Amino acid sequence: RKEVEQDPGPFNVPEGATVAFNCTYSNSASQSFFWYRQDCRKEPKLLMSVYSSGNEDGRFTAQLNRASQYISLLIRDSKLSDSATYLCVVNRPGGGADGLTFGKGTHLIIQP
Amino acid sequence: SQTIHQWPATLVQPVGSPLSLECTVEGTSNPNLYWYRQAAGRGLQLLFYSVGIGQISSEVPQNLSASRPQDRQFILSSKKLLLSDSGFYLCASRGQGSSPLHFGNGTRLTVT
Repeated sequence: RKEVEQDPGPFNVPEGATVAFNCTYSNSASQSFFWYRQDCRKEPKLLMSVYSSGNEDGRFTAQLNRASQYISLLIRDSKLSDSATYLCVVNRPGGGADGLTFGKGTHLIIQP
Repeated sequence: SQTIHQWPATLVQPVGSPLSLECTVEGTSNPNLYWYRQAAGRGLQLLFYSVGIGQISSEVPQNLSASRPQDRQFILSSKKLLLSDSGFYLCASRGQGSSPLHFGNGTRLTVT
């Protein structure tokens, strides 16, 4: 099982809809989690950290389920500008590569 | 907040030529520094990371090398480029503990 897994998509979603996708991780010692957004031919940019109690930033909600070992990202009232690849990052202190592992990303396409 | 400077933005080099990409970081001290590569349509591949001056960990055997001559300077080098070295090279920085990664704008390298 891969350490961090994401459905690559693409998710084709009409504008205004709500979309959610998950990221599963295999190591229960993982301690911190992040969602990044990457536009085509650009660098990844931090979208939000994921806190144990869940957190919201405008139209974006991130949640952590430690029991089932996954994090989720929900986007409400999706905009055309939300089209991007969404990467999850899992941090496991003491793990290899400084403990950071990236998922391969979920490609989201918002359609007008 | 920290700023990561990476240059050049694009680079076209012939096979067998040397490479030097430089990354500098502002707004933080003693960061962990990283070099990633992303091939077209693929995920991020960690190449090197550094937890301090002169300390380099290599994640993938290859014809690339990295150096950290100063606290906030990270250099990626090659003596002889291969066609397979083409890709999008990203420098990243993070503070200590569970802080997230921040990326530079990247260098798009094409080896011809």
